[in-house]
Amino acid sequence: DTGVSQNPRHKITKRGQNVTFRCDPISEHNRLYWYRQTLGQGPEFLTYFQNEAQLEKSRLLSDRFSAERPKGSFSTLEIQRTEQGDSAMYLCASSSSGGARQPQHFGDGTRLSIL
Amino acid sequence: AQSVTQLDSHVSVSEGTPVLLRCNYSSSYSPSLFWYVQHPNKGLQLLLKYTSAATLVKGINGFEAEFKKSETSFHLTKPSAHMSDAAEYFCVVNHSGGGADGLTFGKGTHLIIQP
Repeated sequence: DTGVSQNPRHKITKRGQNVTFRCDPISEHNRLYWYRQTLGQGPEFLTYFQNEAQLEKSRLLSDRFSAERPKGSFSTLEIQRTEQGDSAMYLCASSSSGGARQPQHFGDGTRLSIL
Repeated sequence: AQSVTQLDSHVSVSEGTPVLLRCNYSSSYSPSLFWYVQHPNKGLQLLLKYTSAATLVKGINGFEAEFKKSETSFHLTKPSAHMSDAAEYFCVVNHSGGGADGLTFGKGTHLIIQP
């Protein structure tokens, strides 16, 4: 168990640019989640995958956001035409199947700063 | 719908004294409840979980929490605080009914340990 890995740890970009983050879950976990956390707040659910299928998206996930998990292993989160309000910590978590009772294991996050 | 209320945004205790972090929840279904801790610029670490077994749950680092259905509470306690406990703590609910398995986080409680 090497834990959930996220890259990069920090990303600084200009408004209007596209950015992509990567998450590598714990290898035996088939569920993968993305959250967004702004300063002084708890994380907010964005979307989740079971294997390669994206099963739910929050209304927080505007059409500028897209997430993929093409082979059911790592996942990417892309933000197009970034805006100031996208500045946040983006957290990835994974869990085994078993529904709500299974705890989610979090990575250290990618902190996005929009200039 | 589910929600979590952490009753204190900040709690300050002296090292060696007890810690109490308060949490109330609402859920339309049988909830699973978790406490996570977040140190600065890090991801979230699971402290403990309640999933309808014993109502008194023991976690890591000496923390425990008691599920009280009649009070819809899941308060976190520790008998004796250490300096290393200083961090942000999140109470989290997930429900075993239909819908996403995304977690709903409270706004967090910042725990300060005075020497």
